[in-house]
Amino acid sequence: ETGVTQSPTHLIKTRGQQVTLRCSSQSGHNTVSWYQQALGQGPQFIFQYYREEENGRGNFPPRFSGLQFPNYSSELNVNALELDDSALYLCASSLFSASSYEQYFGPGTRLTVT
Amino acid sequence: AQTVTQSQPEMSVQEAETVTLSCTYDTSESDYYLFWYKQPPSRQMILVIRQEAYKQQNATENRFSVNFQKAAKSFSLKISDSQLGDAAMYFCAYKPFQGAQKLVFGQGTRLTINP
Repeated sequence: ETGVTQSPTHLIKTRGQQVTLRCSSQSGHNTVSWYQQALGQGPQFIFQYYREEENGRGNFPPRFSGLQFPNYSSELNVNALELDDSALYLCASSLFSASSYEQYFGPGTRLTVT
Repeated sequence: AQTVTQSQPEMSVQEAETVTLSCTYDTSESDYYLFWYKQPPSRQMILVIRQEAYKQQNATENRFSVNFQKAAKSFSLKISDSQLGDAAMYFCAYKPFQGAQKLVFGQGTRLTINP
């Protein structure tokens, strides 16, 4: 069983640039959720993808967008980067069902915006 | 909107002793899940224990147990026989029973284990 992987591990970008973060879900999982974790804070839900469509979104502006591919992997895109976007970005995969509860997290991508 | 509050930014305990981390939450739902996650310096969130709101019995996983008080909306984590490997950030999280699998996290408690 392959766990959740994320790439890259670290990334440094300049304010105003665009960034794409990638996530491969755990084998058998069909749902991917993305979270932003600012330094010293708990993760904040960005959005979730199920069957290649957005299925729930947190309080994040439209410049945060995503994709899910037929193999259930996912991308998080952030346009017009701001200094406050500096954070650890976590993805979590799960199996979407009424009784499903567990999300399996990847190791995260540390994004620094200068 | 659901909220989760962890009022202890930092806690410390002697190795082999017992420590309790506190968590309160607010929701109008009757069915939901509660979780404790551990985040070591490696950054990867690891599920420690879960509790279904409809279950009255408190969950237990080896040295980890919870005290779930539904009416008080309280969900504390007890770690018995603390080990050096337990040192980490601990996050309490809430998930509604249905709908998007969105976890709502607290601010976290940093647990230090003193040898």
